[in-house]
Amino acid sequence: KQEVTQIPAALSVPEGENLVLNCSFTDSAIYNLQWFRQDPGKGLTSLLLIQSSQREQTSGRLNASLDKSSGRSTLYIAASQPGDSATYLCAVRSDRGSTLGRLYFGRGTQLTVWP
Amino acid sequence: SAVISQKPSRDICQRGTSLTIQCQVDSQVTMMFWYRQQPGQSLTLIATANQGSEATYESGFVIDKFPISRPNLTFSTLTVSNMSPEDSSIYLCSVVDGTFEAFFGQGTRLTVV
Repeated sequence: KQEVTQIPAALSVPEGENLVLNCSFTDSAIYNLQWFRQDPGKGLTSLLLIQSSQREQTSGRLNASLDKSSGRSTLYIAASQPGDSATYLCAVRSDRGSTLGRLYFGRGTQLTVWP
Repeated sequence: SAVISQKPSRDICQRGTSLTIQCQVDSQVTMMFWYRQQPGQSLTLIATANQGSEATYESGFVIDKFPISRPNLTFSTLTVSNMSPEDSSIYLCSVVDGTFEAFFGQGTRLTVV
């Protein structure tokens, strides 16, 4: 069964720092990988989608990379701001026959950026 | 992309009662997904709802407890029945687009007292 792990579980940094959030997964048979942001008690906002054939995606200050063969993805946040404070979730979509299309989530990294 | 409107955004309910959560999508979609997120945990898939057929439930979730309706291609409801404090969670609906990018509603934060 696919397992998704996110490290660190929590991160607290001063404003302006560049950050790296890590996501690892046990089964490399993935269709895509998606990073989300979740504010407390709210739904998920899609940040970046990386298809299995891609190596990275960028959106503004966010850059996500994917190394499918090693089962790893990183989310890089440049010049962090207090408004970036949220929980960041990584999810992989299975490309394996028995679980085709199923989305597996990590438990998230809770980020606090203080002024 | 898809825009999903989910309501209510939050509710506090008495044990033994039921709550129906609504999910409206701005475009027609084949499948809609319902998730539960218990406090401090990640998301767990409850069921997949297809228009015109019975929902498909994941292990540990049953139709009597979580009945789902899917009357058309843009709307679905999830009911949490006979609630207990253990049902206190965030409930989320989700759809995917043609690139299999997942989109989520704003979530329903349920507290059962």
